[in-house]
Amino acid sequence: GAGVSQSPSNKVTEKGKDVELRCDPISGHTALYWYRQSLGQGLEFLIYFQGNSAPDKSGLPSDRFSAERTGGSVSTLTIQRTQQEDSAVYLCASSLPRSGSWETQYFGPGTRLLVL
Amino acid sequence: AQKITQTQPGMFVQEKEAVTLDCTYDTSDQSYGLFWYKQPSSGEMIFLIYQGSYDEQNATEGRYSLNFQKARKSANLVISASQLGDSAMYFCAMTRMIQGAQKLVFGQGTRLTINP
Repeated sequence: GAGVSQSPSNKVTEKGKDVELRCDPISGHTALYWYRQSLGQGLEFLIYFQGNSAPDKSGLPSDRFSAERTGGSVSTLTIQRTQQEDSAVYLCASSLPRSGSWETQYFGPGTRLLVL
Repeated sequence: AQKITQTQPGMFVQEKEAVTLDCTYDTSDQSYGLFWYKQPSSGEMIFLIYQGSYDEQNATEGRYSLNFQKARKSANLVISASQLGDSAMYFCAMTRMIQGAQKLVFGQGTRLTINP
């Protein structure tokens, strides 16, 4: 079946502009995760959705970052008033939680964001 | 806090040789999952292998095996009969459960280069 898809694959924007990054998880996966990969910080957790709810937003770097998920499927990560330090690869992953077991997260190809 | 350490920033191996990528972890949790992901130059994170902390046998998946030594808190990845296509970044990761989310904490990665 289809894997996790993300769009756009690349995004170049000017400082101060807003950007939206989209993630389409594997069909049937109820859990969805956003991570950020940057040279200085490595891979870091941003936010998690179980269904449409996000019980843990502690990883979002600032209040300029927000995310939503609708219909238990597609998720959008929005960065307002982008800054140069937001330049990174944004990775989305989805998983199917299983009781009593650690779940495997499957990643999309990422969105490479460059803020000029 | 959980921490993953990968001490080999880069490794160079001849094709067809076996290679071991090191991973040590630090956690006070009794139950956790350990994962290895491969990230080729295309950027996608590809799941390779998983080991649960209570699993007594080392995990194997084709040419990949995980050498899990719980007392030493190490989870090394062994790739047998390396191939040119194995050249990539490899990340060791640990899950921790926070507010229902199985967050992945990643190491800094090891860049593996397979020489013909």
